[in-house]
Amino acid sequence: DQQVKQNSPSLSVQEGRISILNCDYTNSMFDYFLWYKKYPAEGPTFLISISSIKDKNEDGRFTVFLNKSAKHLSLHIVPSQPGDSAVYFCAARGAGNMLTFGGGTRLMVKP
Amino acid sequence: NAGVMQNPRHLVRRRGQEARLRCSPMKGHSHVYWYRQLPEEGLKFMVYLQKENIIDESGMPKERFSAEFPKEGPSILRIQQVVRGDSAAYFCASSPIGTPYNEQFFGPGTRLTVL
Repeated sequence: DQQVKQNSPSLSVQEGRISILNCDYTNSMFDYFLWYKKYPAEGPTFLISISSIKDKNEDGRFTVFLNKSAKHLSLHIVPSQPGDSAVYFCAARGAGNMLTFGGGTRLMVKP
Repeated sequence: NAGVMQNPRHLVRRRGQEARLRCSPMKGHSHVYWYRQLPEEGLKFMVYLQKENIIDESGMPKERFSAEFPKEGPSILRIQQVVRGDSAAYFCASSPIGTPYNEQFFGPGTRLTVL
């Protein structure tokens, strides 16, 4: 039972364009959502988060949108840079502080 | 302020041996979480600990796996009698008390290979 899903295993974007990474969830009890970025052989690095009481949070080139009615969130990166190439995981917090992760989307930003 | 430290970074064990993975949380953090990432999959929650207490172990396999976070020293994830299916990357994360946002900070992981 996958409560958090990232349906696109990979995404390729041209440098300077917008990258949009999507994430869907099924558990309406999730109250906090996070995006992590992961390079090979490293741990996930926290990127940006959003509370369930908000629908948008912005930090520099990164914006996260939350649509509670659709149980959908997305991460926008604009403009995309080659250094953004990594695997991106969305995660959701439920009861007990544990995070439930999606399967990840590999982003490739081409120069 | 050093980040979350994990050691060893790579661990090779033969079937039936024990694996001990260590995690030192960030300074000032008293909450520790262990996650496992199987190849080509996302991270799966295993256990959540505070000092000397297991808060949530709902993601831990029922047998062979145990975790502790003693008053002094690092958190330890122990896997007894390892099998090939235990081969994975094991990540530890920590968070401070009272953060309203539960941002967990991850270590670099321990890659366990069972031969």
